[in-house]
Amino acid sequence: EVQLVESGGGLVQPGGSLRLSCAASGFTFSSYSMNWVRQAPGKGLEWVSYISSSSSTIYYADSVKGRFTISRDNAKNSLYLQMNSLRDEDTAVYYCAVNYYDSSGPLDYWGQGTLVTVSS
Amino acid sequence: EIVMTQSPATLSVSPGERATLSCRASQSVSSNLAWYQQKPGQAPRLLIYGASTRATGIPARFSGSGSGTEFTLTISSLQSEDFAVYYCQQYNNWPTFGQGTKVEIK
Repeated sequence: EVQLVESGGGLVQPGGSLRLSCAASGFTFSSYSMNWVRQAPGKGLEWVSYISSSSSTIYYADSVKGRFTISRDNAKNSLYLQMNSLRDEDTAVYYCAVNYYDSSGPLDYWGQGTLVTVSS
Repeated sequence: EIVMTQSPATLSVSPGERATLSCRASQSVSSNLAWYQQKPGQAPRLLIYGASTRATGIPARFSGSGSGTEFTLTISSLQSEDFAVYYCQQYNNWPTFGQGTKVEIK
């Protein structure tokens, strides 16, 4: 069974930094591309970032480019999101999601999310 | 950026009735369109991909259609567990989501 468990969320001041983690199990993590998607309170879904299985291809949404960095450690079955220069508008639940059947396809499985609150 | 527009924002339906949700893309996304269901406090769940293919374990009452810029999600006979928010998402380019349609009990 595919399982994705996010951690690392919390309260941070504007301008601060936070590192999110996503622990994967139930599948061969190193073979699949991964994503971060966020959802502001009471709002819709926003794709944040993508990383291919080998980390050779990385994409970011314009809203986070230059501030966020996605990475992965295939030996540890883990996905990361380093978030710097955080803004109020980055407040959201952050989900990790896997492209399980197609590396450029839909988001087949999602974690339960971790809440990031940016506030002074 | 491809903008996805869903309608209506809210759909009030009685259990057992049919629900039809629409999604429009600002430019063609071919059949690279997915639908997700999200219940309060839960992560989204993939329902449909490739515009019309049900994901693993999704009941047959859920069906998707369309291509290019116009797409539809139909729930043939609403069950109590189907009342939720539904999002469309294109993956023809950088992934973008619609703003969601809330299906509520009438």
